[in-house]
Amino acid sequence: DAKTTQPTSMDCAEGRAANLPCNHSTISGNEYVYWYRQIHSQGPQYIIHGLKNNETNEMASLIITEDRKSSTLILPHATLRDTAVYYCIVRVAGTGANNLFFGTGTRLTVIP
Amino acid sequence: EPEVTQTPSHQVTQMGQEVILRCVPISNHLYFYWYRQILGQKVEFLVSFYNNEISEKSEIFDDQFSVERPDGSNFTLKIRSTKLEDSAMYFCASTPASLTASFGSGELFFGEGSRLTVL
Repeated sequence: DAKTTQPTSMDCAEGRAANLPCNHSTISGNEYVYWYRQIHSQGPQYIIHGLKNNETNEMASLIITEDRKSSTLILPHATLRDTAVYYCIVRVAGTGANNLFFGTGTRLTVIP
Repeated sequence: EPEVTQTPSHQVTQMGQEVILRCVPISNHLYFYWYRQILGQKVEFLVSFYNNEISEKSEIFDDQFSVERPDGSNFTLKIRSTKLEDSAMYFCASTPASLTASFGSGELFFGEGSRLTVL
């Protein structure tokens, strides 16, 4: 089961920053936070991941609180094409595979 | 840019029939996965595959399901006797490295999916 809690839905105006929160209060010390998104019914797309430091790439920024119990994905200038379901995933420490368990995510709607 | 490709994009089958869904992972990747998504529901993990054997499987992946890497490029999911509840989008994914071994990118590359409709 997913170990994260996200709002069901959010709206964001086109061109503005979209800030998507995620709670993962039971995260373990060696577990990473991953963000994926799914546009319509396409395959999920990796966005970014982090352990405890803030991370930034060409798609987004990830801010992780000092206690690691929550994080925020930031899309700095949201476009209509960013409308999607965004999944915050804590990777389950396993036997060697990289399985990711998806929750219900946040449906982000970017409004013109 | 390399991508995971899946065929067919859509398959309609009768209940009880066997179905094989095919995937071509990215060529230098080592781990392969199948996920499924029933319409309107979560993306669910089915199975992971490494070094020609199953690494982990979920409760969904029962004896009706099997996976195979018959050659150096294809990765297949077989459903032996389809049921109505197998209707879903099936996603294949691959990744180049083990997270637990190297804490690499952690990036799973997903295909566009195969939609299975069981009548």
